[in-house]
Amino acid sequence: DAGVIQSPRHEVTEMGQEVTLRCKPISGHNSLFWYRQTMMRGLELLIYFNNNVPIDDSGMPEDRFSAKMPNASFSTLKIQPSEPRDSAVYFCASSPVPVLATANTGELFFGEGSRLTVL
Amino acid sequence: LAKTTQPISMDSYEGQEVNITCSHNNIATNDYITWYQQFPSQGPRFIIQGYKTKVTNEVASLFIPADRKSSTLSLPRVSLSDTAVYYCLVGGRTSGTYKYIFGTGTRLKVLA
Repeated sequence: DAGVIQSPRHEVTEMGQEVTLRCKPISGHNSLFWYRQTMMRGLELLIYFNNNVPIDDSGMPEDRFSAKMPNASFSTLKIQPSEPRDSAVYFCASSPVPVLATANTGELFFGEGSRLTVL
Repeated sequence: LAKTTQPISMDSYEGQEVNITCSHNNIATNDYITWYQQFPSQGPRFIIQGYKTKVTNEVASLFIPADRKSSTLSLPRVSLSDTAVYYCLVGGRTSGTYKYIFGTGTRLKVLA
């Protein structure tokens, strides 16, 4: 398997523009997670899905952020409008263990990340 | 939700054994302990996972005492390529689901 695939790897945009980040999870994985990483705040969990259904989006910083998972093989994270403070590396991860499992026995498989710079 | 505490940074020399300890006083009965490694410009990578006692794989060992309030990742004979950030992750069950919350991690620097 190719692993979790994210695109674009790098994105530079201007403040106010819409940004869409994409993720293809590992085939057969039930859960998908979006994280944001910055030097100041570390790895922050933004939202996660179980079988394509959003379970918890309490980590999404503002209404400018939205995420969708229209099918088991694709997810997007959208920022509209973008701001300079959104500059970060955004990671997508998938897991073969459903987040609704009674015991946490799974591991997360991360993509290479999308580095976003908002000018 | 179990909170984890790790040292911010550690230095070591090539060939030495490195032990990184993580505290997780509020670990729940169903929680496993997982360690990840992250290199610059890459996503975190799974290293090892355990529930209690000792787990060993080809990369590392994980020691978990009986009370499970802490865990120690042991890297035998580190090399320069082991320079990375190491995260301890304890699966947190909240509202019937699990959330994977990463702590600040330990920045390990291996010196020649």
